[in-house]
Amino acid sequence: DGGITQSPKYLFRKEGQNVTLSCEQNLNHDAMYWYRQDPGQGLRLIYYSQIVNDFQKGDIAEGYSVSREKKESFPLTVTSAQKNPTAFYLCASSPQTGQGQFFGPGTRLTVL
Amino acid sequence: GESVGLHLPTLSVQEGDNSIINCAYSNSASDYFIWYKQESGKGPQFIIDIRSNMDKRQGQRVTVLLNKTVKHLSLQIAATQPGDSAVYFCADNYGQNFVFGPGTRLSVLP
Repeated sequence: DGGITQSPKYLFRKEGQNVTLSCEQNLNHDAMYWYRQDPGQGLRLIYYSQIVNDFQKGDIAEGYSVSREKKESFPLTVTSAQKNPTAFYLCASSPQTGQGQFFGPGTRLTVL
Repeated sequence: GESVGLHLPTLSVQEGDNSIINCAYSNSASDYFIWYKQESGKGPQFIIDIRSNMDKRQGQRVTVLLNKTVKHLSLQIAATQPGDSAVYFCADNYGQNFVFGPGTRLSVLP
């Protein structure tokens, strides 16, 4: 059953803590993405990766970090430097950049 | 449920009627467009796409129209059903990535 999985679905974090969100895909896609979704706004790109061991900053990369050690996995770390981390985080993948993206189910992060 | 789309424009339609959802884009160089459907608490779902060399593309119960002159995209849903209730948003490409609209909430009335 091919697709993109994100875990956990809900995540709570105390201020000052780093937290890592998981994203895995078995679609054999080269490109992967992380977006942040806030009420009333379009998706905003945090980071993207065109290929293994490569990633690029998106529009709102400050306070976030990523790694792409395997084709299937693209974890996102929300660091304590992110000023307003409470949001819905979406991971996506596409065969290559510039092609239609398919999304995971999302992780809702709440900072307490 | 999720608070995503809390302040979005809403389109309310009667079950069985046709729905038309509109989207404007700003990048004249965009040549690829996608419509997504997002249900509460879930990730966006790919509905249909269209390239700039086409004006119209049809899928199952959905049609996308592209007007490049005025940079406008629309999604038509035929015979709207309760399961169509969701937030719908468009995306257009810029370079390697996409710009996503904030979306329209479609509410299907019984």
